[in-house]
Amino acid sequence: KNEVEQSPQNLTAQEGEFITINCSYSVGISALHWLQQHPGGGIVSLFMLSSGKKKHGRLIATINIQEKHSSLHITASHPRDSAVYICAVRLIQGAQKLVFGQGTRLTINP
Amino acid sequence: DSGVTQTPKHLITATGQRVTLRCSPRSGDLSVYWYQQSLDQGLQFLIQYYNGEERAKGNILERFSAQQFPDLHSELNLSSLELGDSALYFCASSPPGAVKTQYFGPGTRLLVL
Repeated sequence: KNEVEQSPQNLTAQEGEFITINCSYSVGISALHWLQQHPGGGIVSLFMLSSGKKKHGRLIATINIQEKHSSLHITASHPRDSAVYICAVRLIQGAQKLVFGQGTRLTINP
Repeated sequence: DSGVTQTPKHLITATGQRVTLRCSPRSGDLSVYWYQQSLDQGLQFLIQYYNGEERAKGNILERFSAQQFPDLHSELNLSSLELGDSALYFCASSPPGAVKTQYFGPGTRLLVL
């Protein structure tokens, strides 16, 4: 079993829908990152969380440390949100490496 | 633009060859991380340097090596290349401090034929 699991693996929605991507992890972490990878391949860091909730524009990220679970929400989704969203955790043990989920491919249709 | 630069953008080479990938971190960032993204394995952490010293090691093959220079740029050397080394190689940097956001470069796409 992977240390970081994301669901769903693929998600297709209509423009304007509310999107939720989930991430569960099984290890002790010091932080959790949400990354966005566009079709061209570039990776952008969206959020880094160690507790609670963060909001940036239409994106909201939450984390529940006790349940070892995080969610990424997109409100009023738009075709330009189409990308792969990757959850990554920074382990408490083993220095500062990131362990990545397999990614969620999101497609927003107009 | 994250401020992290990587060269080259694309690289095509043959099995058995050696290549060097280069990364320049954001101004002021002391940490450099290297990641490999292949189709079957996803993103994997390779190695981290902090201010010139190796800080953490991940799933880096013995055929691969890296270093960080006094001006903080980093190089990843891949030798005795195999078909399976074809992947996107990302570099990221982060500022000093315990837990900081990582800023990713645009990546180098390596194709081994």
